[in-house]
Amino acid sequence: QVQLQQWGAGLLKPSETLSLTCAVYGGSFSGYYWSWIRQPPGKGLEWIGEINHSGSTNYNPSLKSRVTISVDTSKNQFSLKLSSVTAADTAVYYCARGLAVAGPDLYYYYMDVWGKGTTVTVSS
Amino acid sequence: SSELTQDPAVSVALGQTVRITCQGDSLRSYYASWYQQKPGQAPVLVIYGKNNRPSGIPDRFSGSSSGNTASLTITGAQAEDEADYYCNSRDSSGNHLGVFGGGTKLTVL
Repeated sequence: QVQLQQWGAGLLKPSETLSLTCAVYGGSFSGYYWSWIRQPPGKGLEWIGEINHSGSTNYNPSLKSRVTISVDTSKNQFSLKLSSVTAADTAVYYCARGLAVAGPDLYYYYMDVWGKGTTVTVSS
Repeated sequence: SSELTQDPAVSVALGQTVRITCQGDSLRSYYASWYQQKPGQAPVLVIYGKNNRPSGIPDRFSGSSSGNTASLTITGAQAEDEADYYCNSRDSSGNHLGVFGGGTKLTVL
């Protein structure tokens, strides 16, 4: 059974860089989109971006200028960096495994395995 | 603003049937996936594709899609189904970006 274990710094000052890593245990690394999602306190889910095993990335346009997602296939890990953080970046950050495939009529896209989440607080 | 629109809150009497909807142009090309989130917990996938349930998800959860609208139906809602529900898809730009609906708070009365 695939499990995602994530870690990273939980308290940052404004202008610092958020850095989180997610390790994949128990499954293949290829064929999936490895994703980051965040949830500000009391608010909904926001898709941050994703990377596949070959390093191809897609980013939320609203965060694209500050986000870098990278992959280390030798360790089955992927990472998120978000630069120049502000209080608005305070959130629980989740990593997840995504899959996008063509169905007989519509495309399928879903995230079936999630990490437990890391609370990141930005405060001076 | 989200490209997927959900009602903020829905309520259902215990044991009754409830439908939670999600609207967006991208749903004409992609099936919505649905996630249940309880307080303090990570989201859990409950429905994906045309109407697929991951292992361990009760069969009272089902999904459907028509045009630009996807629906999550809970038939015989239980107290433990009270949670936030989010739909998810790619966006309509064609750039393979993910997008979530704003979420629906389900209250079981």
